[in-house]
Amino acid sequence: ETGVTQSPTHLIKTRGQQVTLRCSSQSGHNTVSWYQQALGQGPQFIFQYYREEENGRGNFPPRFSGLQFPNYSSELNVNALELDDSALYLCASRGGWSETQYFGPGTRLLVL
Amino acid sequence: GDSVTQMEGPVTLSEEAFLTINCTYTATGYPSLFWYVQYPGEGLQLLLKATKADDKGSNKGFEATYRKETTSFHLEKGSVQVSDSAVYFCALSLPGNQFYFGTGTSLTVIP
Repeated sequence: ETGVTQSPTHLIKTRGQQVTLRCSSQSGHNTVSWYQQALGQGPQFIFQYYREEENGRGNFPPRFSGLQFPNYSSELNVNALELDDSALYLCASRGGWSETQYFGPGTRLLVL
Repeated sequence: GDSVTQMEGPVTLSEEAFLTINCTYTATGYPSLFWYVQYPGEGLQLLLKATKADDKGSNKGFEATYRKETTSFHLEKGSVQVSDSAVYFCALSLPGNQFYFGTGTSLTVIP
């Protein structure tokens, strides 16, 4: 069984640019969530997708957007990058109404 | 709102010492509770979970009991090893909803 994978592993961008992060969910999992983890902090919920529809969102501005594809993989897009967007971005997947989420290794984004 | 309050670190212990990391929660409804572990440079790994009151989750010598009366889910291990050095996160989830994480507790075990 393949776990959650994310790409790229590291990324450096400059302020004002746009970035796309990718996530492949664990086999059979139809729900994907994205989290932002700032250095020394716990993960903060960005949004969740279930069967290609956003069905939950945390306290993040609209410049954070996402997509989920028919194969349940997902993208996180961030426009107009700010220095404070520098963080580890984690993707997690789960199946149906299972409470347990399985996390990918994350993408570390640095905004200069 | 739903939230998790976690014991602040960092925690430094000698090998074979007893570990407790405190976690309390606030939730509307009946959450599931989790402990995740994060090793340096890696994502989060599920350590253990409990889905209802009085359940005990256990894995790799770690244990935590879901205490509804004290709204707690403290993590314990009787004898820590150097390889247990990591950051530990307590989290809660309501069915179909997001996870709420604590701020994490960094554990360093010295030989």
